[in-house]
Amino acid sequence: DTAVSQTPKYLVTQMGNDKSIKCEQNLGHDTMYWYKQDSKKFLKIMFSYNNKELIINETVPNRFSPKSPDKAHLNLHINSLELGDSAVYFCASSPLGAYEQYFGPGTRLTVT
Amino acid sequence: DAKTTQPPSMDCAEGRAANLPCNHSTISGNEYVYWYRQIHSQGPQYIIHGLKNNETNEMASLIITEDRKSSTLILPHATLRDTAVYYCIVRGTSGTYKYIFGTGTRLKVLA
Repeated sequence: DTAVSQTPKYLVTQMGNDKSIKCEQNLGHDTMYWYKQDSKKFLKIMFSYNNKELIINETVPNRFSPKSPDKAHLNLHINSLELGDSAVYFCASSPLGAYEQYFGPGTRLTVT
Repeated sequence: DAKTTQPPSMDCAEGRAANLPCNHSTISGNEYVYWYRQIHSQGPQYIIHGLKNNETNEMASLIITEDRKSSTLILPHATLRDTAVYYCIVRGTSGTYKYIFGTGTRLKVLA
């Protein structure tokens, strides 16, 4: 019955590799988000999609490419991984314009 | 969106009320105050939000000053499971609806 799920939970990979993180929500929400939480625990929004359309792109390197095949899924693909990409990535969803967002459990990415 | 200022950390005895302050002196008329918490690297969890009236739900109460420049989140009977980082966020009702998380307050509930 998980509302917002992410896979994988942990991801360890080497510099230069390409990896994807998947996010799914079963709440029927229109809007989905990706956040990055770095080692200093700052939580920053990266992207937001509403009904498969990009509405927020917070100056994220173009090595990061979100893909929304349908409004229940927002996947994050990262090319040419760098050490600085190591972080916890959270997916979230909400109805459009709603007050609260529902966050997934996070994916801890470690780039070695 | 307006910036918020919170104390970096607070302690609270179990069973007592935890009062977490937040300063948002540059808040504008259409901006809401939201509170989220993050328990030990889990995903942030919505707690409560308000515009200008005080609000209460099953988790907490939110007290917003009359000038709306500050607010207090109240956990009426803190438990050990309330130990978390609490974020106060100000966000408008138009535009891209994005949250800007600050550094939050690390609340430690003591047995």
